[in-house]
This record gives sequence, structure tokens and C-alpha cells, in this order.
Amino acid sequence: NAGVTQTPKFRVLKTGQSMTLLCAQDMNHEYMYWYRQDPGMGLRLIHYSVGEGTTAKGEVPDGYNVSRLKKQNFLLGLESAAPSQTSVYFCASSQSSYEQYFGPGTRLTVT
Amino acid sequence: TQLLEQSPQFLSIQEGENLTVYCNSSSVFSSLQWYRQEPGEGPVLLVTVVTGGEVKKLKRLTFQFGDARKDSSLHITAAQPGDTGLYLCAEPNAGNNRKLIWGLGTSLAVNP
Repeated sequence: NAGVTQTPKFRVLKTGQSMTLLCAQDMNHEYMYWYRQDPGMGLRLIHYSVGEGTTAKGEVPDGYNVSRLKKQNFLLGLESAAPSQTSVYFCASSQSSYEQYFGPGTRLTVT
Repeated sequence: TQLLEQSPQFLSIQEGENLTVYCNSSSVFSSLQWYRQEPGEGPVLLVTVVTGGEVKKLKRLTFQFGDARKDSSLHITAAQPGDTGLYLCAEPNAGNNRKLIWGLGTSLAVNP
């Protein structure tokens, strides 16, 4: 099992550009999450999903959109990137015990 | 509002030393998870503690859950450079939906 995978691993965007981050899990987990991690701010939840076809806002959803068309995939979109979105993005999944399994992260720089 | 406080924020020690890091809550934990995040990687679950007074061991790591379930500690014996990383605690959000409340973590550096 690959667990949770994220693509791409690194990306540099210019302000105003758009991109999509892909998260895939092969553990048949119902729940999936997108976090961003910034120095001194910890892990902050952007959006999450409690099942295929569902999404919900987390703590810091502004400027991001998500989709969960297939159970194994959770996409995070930035429609118009801003320098404030420079961060490390983590995807995670979980099943029934609240314990979350994380991907390796995507390091995004917006110039 | 649930709040998780971790201390110390930073810790730099020499190989072979012992250390303890702490996680405290403003309310009673339903359960508590400890994760380790190595540099450049995502967090990895180490252990979940559920019962007040519970002690769990993972090789040189000892996790303790306070009797009142409002605090937890992680003790590392004879730290090694491979223990370097960010140690995070997390508890389930009382509002459900499988969300976790995260502490800011303790950043540990073990120097050879």
C-alpha cells in the first residue's frame, strides 16, 4: 500500500496563477483533509470531506476550493494564488478512530 | 473552546540525554494522539491514549495520560539523532466530524 500520496511535491507559482493539488489514498478511508502548515501557526485545517461527494470548510478555507468526486481522491484548488498562500500543504485521511494518516506534503511558493 | 498547549516549544539536547515534553488541555480529553513529524515529511501517528492514568511504551518513548485526562506527557530515554523532529499532540474536536484539534508542537533537535 502506498498510503497517502500527494502531487506535486514542489511548486512555484506567480501571483494570480491557479493550480490543483492532488491527494490520493489507497486505504479506503471515508474521511479526507487538507491542512496547511506555517511556522508558528501549526497545522490549520483548510477543507475536509466526510465521504465521496461531500466537502466542508475548515478553519482557513478562503482562497481554496476542493472536490471529492472519487472516494480515493481529494483535490485542493487555488484559483488565484496569493503570496499569503505560500505554505506546506498536507493531505490526510482517516477511517473510524480519528487517527489520521498524512501524505508527504506539497511545498508551494507564490511569488 | 478546546485549546491544546504543548511545552516546551523548542528543545535542543545531546545524544543520550533524557527528555520530557508535555501536552495540556483546557478541557478533559476524550482521547489524545501523539504524532512525530520528521523534517520534510508529514506527521506520523505514534500512539493514542484513551484511559486516565494510561501508560504506553514504544521502544524508548513512554507516553503517559494524566489521571484527570487533562494532560499528557512523552518521555524519551537516551535520545538519538533519529528522534529529531516535531512532536505534535492532537485530540478529537468535541463538535464531531472527525476533526482534530492540534497543538503547535515541540521541536526537538538531538545533536550527535
